[in-house]
Amino acid sequence: AQTVTQSQPEMSVQEAETVTLSCTYDTSESNYYLFWYKQPPSRQMILVIRQEAYKQQNATENRFSVNFQKAAKSFSLKISDSQLGDTAMYFCAFMKHSGGSNYKLTFGKGTLLTVNP
Amino acid sequence: GAVVSQHPSWVICKSGTSVKIECRSLDFQATTMFWYRQFPKQSLMLMATSNEGSKATYEQGVEKDKFLINHASLTLSTLTVTSAHPEDSSFYICSAKTSGTDTQYFGPGTRLTVL
Repeated sequence: AQTVTQSQPEMSVQEAETVTLSCTYDTSESNYYLFWYKQPPSRQMILVIRQEAYKQQNATENRFSVNFQKAAKSFSLKISDSQLGDTAMYFCAFMKHSGGSNYKLTFGKGTLLTVNP
Repeated sequence: GAVVSQHPSWVICKSGTSVKIECRSLDFQATTMFWYRQFPKQSLMLMATSNEGSKATYEQGVEKDKFLINHASLTLSTLTVTSAHPEDSSFYICSAKTSGTDTQYFGPGTRLTVL
């Protein structure tokens, strides 16, 4: 079974600064996907970024980027130029590659990020 | 694109009654839908996975006779909480994906309060 660990229950950052959220995972799979989702106070889950394990290049989406270290099973999220709207709970998630699997997501416990003005 | 809706967004019911929650994919065909439960300040717990036209696959510890899931079309899945009790009070979230992709798109959630 896969496990996802987010060791930072809460973090805070000043507006316009950079923050990095940590995520580690444990799996025996060699092919899989990793995701970061955010859940703002509205509780709507929003996909932030995804990474395919077979790709060495780190994914980026505007101000969001990841540091994917496959050997270390680490998948951190960096948010640059933090904005007040980034305040949310961030969940790291793991999914086995398809090939007949049912695409189940395994979530970490989340990190509550607060961006201060 | 990839919008998922849920109805209702909030429901209050009396203990012993049944409640139905709908999950709809508005602009894509949802070949697979998922139902999650989230307690306050906790992560999402997968309850079941359903493929269109097939019986749902429930996670260990989830009572299939209590949480009835129907995925009768490519745009609609329903979760019925039967004989609800106060301990069933929670936030229920659905997600959906289409075939050939790996990304799940989430609905806005339904807050269930059982009195």
